[in-house]
Amino acid sequence: DARVTQTPRHKVTEMGQEVTMRCQPILGHNTVFWYRQTMMQGLELLAYFRNRAPLDDSGMPKDRFSAEMPDATLATLKIQPSEPRDSAVYFCASGLLEGTGYTFGSGTRLTVV
Amino acid sequence: DQQVKQNSPSLSVQEGRISILNCDYTNSMFDYFLWYKKYPAEGPTFLISISSIKDKNEDGRFTVFLNKSAKHLSLHIVPSQPGDSAVYFCAALRDSGAGSYQLTFGKGTKLSVIP
Repeated sequence: DARVTQTPRHKVTEMGQEVTMRCQPILGHNTVFWYRQTMMQGLELLAYFRNRAPLDDSGMPKDRFSAEMPDATLATLKIQPSEPRDSAVYFCASGLLEGTGYTFGSGTRLTVV
Repeated sequence: DQQVKQNSPSLSVQEGRISILNCDYTNSMFDYFLWYKKYPAEGPTFLISISSIKDKNEDGRFTVFLNKSAKHLSLHIVPSQPGDSAVYFCAALRDSGAGSYQLTFGKGTKLSVIP
């Protein structure tokens, strides 16, 4: 059963530290999304890639967040420096251009203290 | 500004009865609408979708209705089962036609099915 794999599942870090979250999309999927879930905002789109090229990262705070796809099997979301307000669950999802049912990973729960 | 709105944060339904989850949207350019189900500590799971050119799509116990004039869609679950208890997210997909499209989510409705 194909799945999107996210690591780590949980991360606790101190304010100011760098955090890197990783996502392995489903093989063959050409679109990758990063979402952040908070109580206040629900699921917010941070960035998405098509064929590894970034198409939209307007939802990301540019000064501290960066998203990359170094290859087709890995997407990364980095926060540097991290702040307490970044505490949330970060989801990666992958899909196909012509599809609508994107598959989500189990998320990375980030706590910045 | 929220383009996809789920105005009911929670809903409780008796087992065997119908659950109706509602969603409103503001952008008439959305191409597809989707429902996702989310259990605690898991990622959202795709449930059912509907194209903007349809008004109904049915899959087993789940039916999604789309009213484009009202910019409203709803998910019906009949009969409701305790295993349906989860947070349900409404989402809308817009394809700009330039190889760029976005999936926008509502804030979710927590459904509790009471045995």
